[in-house]
Amino acid sequence: QVQLVQSGAEVKRPGASVKLSCKASGYTFTTYYMHWVRQAPGQGLEWMGIINPSDGRTNFAQKFQGRVTMTRDTSTSTVYMELSSLRSEDTAVYYCARKSMPVSFDIWGQGTMVTVSS
Amino acid sequence: DIQMTQSPSTLSASVGDRVTITCRASQSISSWLAWYQQKPGKAPKLLIYKASSLESGVPSRFSGSGSGTEFTLTISSLQAEDVAVYYCQQYYTDPFTFGPGTKVDIK
Repeated sequence: QVQLVQSGAEVKRPGASVKLSCKASGYTFTTYYMHWVRQAPGQGLEWMGIINPSDGRTNFAQKFQGRVTMTRDTSTSTVYMELSSLRSEDTAVYYCARKSMPVSFDIWGQGTMVTVSS
Repeated sequence: DIQMTQSPSTLSASVGDRVTITCRASQSISSWLAWYQQKPGKAPKLLIYKASSLESGVPSRFSGSGSGTEFTLTISSLQAEDVAVYYCQQYYTDPFTFGPGTKVDIK
């Protein structure tokens, strides 16, 4: 079935970087844009950015410009999101989500908890 | 950026009640609005897309309406399993902003 499986929880020190993965299966990987959304503990959903798995083009929320990188590996149907210069405010669950027009985010990964703590 | 607001922020109702949540956009987004349900510890689940289209597999007690800047999500008969936080999201243009959420529980 169509699913997105994300990598496991991470604990990082302030200033470090984290690279998360999201592996797609059950559909043609290059056909659908992939988004990343994060959710701090007890808070709402925050859109981070988008990658086109077909050509690798990206677009990020201004808040994350310069700190986030999104890449993809078409051979393994996996997208990656790397966030650098981590601070405590980056502690959150990070989700990947497939965007299907005209439906919006129809398939979500299970989420990856990232904890930033000294 | 397009700002999304929701009201109320919390809602307590009885099983069987009709429940309505409102979402407003800071500018017109046509019908490019989605509603998601999120239960504790789980990823959001798509309920409604393009303002009023029901996602496959979602119970018919959920419905959406609106266009432009004002939208509503209605649960026609609240069930115990509907306890969750509900988010609206505009996908008219990036950044694809979400509303702050409405927490629904049982009275």
